[in-house]
Amino acid sequence: EAQVTQNPRYLITVTGKKLTVTCSQNMNHEYMSWYRQDPGLGLRQIYYSMNVEVTDKGDVPEGYKVSRKEKRNFPLILESPSPNQTSLYFCASSFLTGGSVSPLHFGNGTRLTVT
Amino acid sequence: GQSLEQPSEVTAVEGAIVQINCTYQTSGFYGLSWYQQHDGGAPTFLSYNALDGLEETGRFSSFLSRSDSYGYLLLQELQMKDSASYFCAVRVSGYSTLTFGKGTMLLVSP
Repeated sequence: EAQVTQNPRYLITVTGKKLTVTCSQNMNHEYMSWYRQDPGLGLRQIYYSMNVEVTDKGDVPEGYKVSRKEKRNFPLILESPSPNQTSLYFCASSFLTGGSVSPLHFGNGTRLTVT
Repeated sequence: GQSLEQPSEVTAVEGAIVQINCTYQTSGFYGLSWYQQHDGGAPTFLSYNALDGLEETGRFSSFLSRSDSYGYLLLQELQMKDSASYFCAVRVSGYSTLTFGKGTMLLVSP
């Protein structure tokens, strides 16, 4: 089954304790992205990647890191989480078509709470 | 920067028709997409418009006017299961990322 898999689904942690949220896709997509969703603010892009070893900042990259060492995986790293990073996080992927639509496929989300 | 405006909430009754508008101000424009999200779940793709006009997919249709920087999602024969949040999203170039609006919560009542 074609899917984007995020883990964990729920995570409660304390300020300053490094964490990683994993994301993996099995559709051979070139493009992968992380979004955070907060009430009233919609989906805001954190980082994205158009290919292996190619990553770029989105709209709200501060406090986050990513890596793209393999095509299928795009982990999100919070080196020193803070309470303002409490949010619902989504990983998404798609083909890079250039000339036509390629819908984003989203994972089921990771609900992160930082105390 | 990119800016998309859509109403925060829309209410309607079962069987009715509802239109969710989206206006955008972007540095470029390559297409307007719509996504549906149920109660914090994974957003799912609904439709895409790159050219002016109406695209129909079953009970859902999407419209685009590039000259007005405006689009809408039309939902017909509303069902309770259509209660969800709907996001418009703009791609500013062929290889660029998607920028999402803040979403419209649609509440369908019996």
